Amino acid sequence: NAGVTQTPKFQVLKTGQSMTLQCAQDMNHEYMSWYRQDPGMGLRLIHYSVGAGITDQGEVPNGYNVSRSTTEDFPLRLLSAAPSQTSVYFCASRRQVNQPQHFGDGTRLSIL
Amino acid sequence: AQKVTQAQTEISVVEKEDVTLDCVYETRDTTYYLFWYKQPPSGELVFLIRRNSFDEQNEISGRYSWNFQKSTSSFNFTITASQVVDSAVYFCALSALNSGNTPLVFGKGTRLSVIA
Repeated sequence: NAGVTQTPKFQVLKTGQSMTLQCAQDMNHEYMSWYRQDPGMGLRLIHYSVGAGITDQGEVPNGYNVSRSTTEDFPLRLLSAAPSQTSVYFCASRRQVNQPQHFGDGTRLSIL
Repeated sequence: AQKVTQAQTEISVVEKEDVTLDCVYETRDTTYYLFWYKQPPSGELVFLIRRNSFDEQNEISGRYSWNFQKSTSSFNFTITASQVVDSAVYFCALSALNSGNTPLVFGKGTRLSVIA
C-alpha cells in the first residue's frame, strides 16, 4: 500500500521562485489537507479539501494555492517563494471526519 | 473553534521511568474525536490512538495508556517503563463532528527524550 505519497522529499528554492508540492493518495479518501511544521509551532493547517473540486483555507493559507481536480491528487503551489515558507510540509488524507489522518512522509523545503 | 494545548514543550526522563504527556482540549461540540500521533526522529507521523467523546474508558496498549477525562477536557498519554525508542515528538489532536469538515487541529507537541 502506497498510502499518501509526497514528492519531492527535499527542495531548495530561491526567493521568488514558484513550485508545486505533489501529494497523491490511493485510498480513495475524500478528505485531504496540507500542513506545515515549524519548530515549536506544531502542525498548522494551510489548505484542505473535502472532495474533488472543493477546497478551503486553513490557518495559514497566504502564499499558497491548491486545487483538487481528482480524488487522488492534491497539489500545493507556492506562488512566489519567501524565506518564511521554509518549513516541512505534510500532506494528509482521511476517509471520514471521525477517522485518523494518514500522513505522507513530508517535504522539507528551504527558501534561500 | 477547536483548540489543543500541550503545555509540556520538552520532557526528559531516564530509561524505565514512567512519563505522562498532558493534553487539554477545547471544543463546543458534544461529538468529537481525540488522537495521539508520534513523530520519531525520522520525521514521519505515526497514528497511535483515537478516542471519541462518548467513550471515557481508559485504554492500555502494551506500555502505552491513555486517560480521557471529559470533566477536565483532558486526554493524557502515559508511557510506562520508558525506552530510548520512545524518544519522539508526540502530538495530541482534535476533530469535532459539527465543525464542518475541517481537518485535525493539533497541539504544538511535546518532545520526549528518554536517556539510557
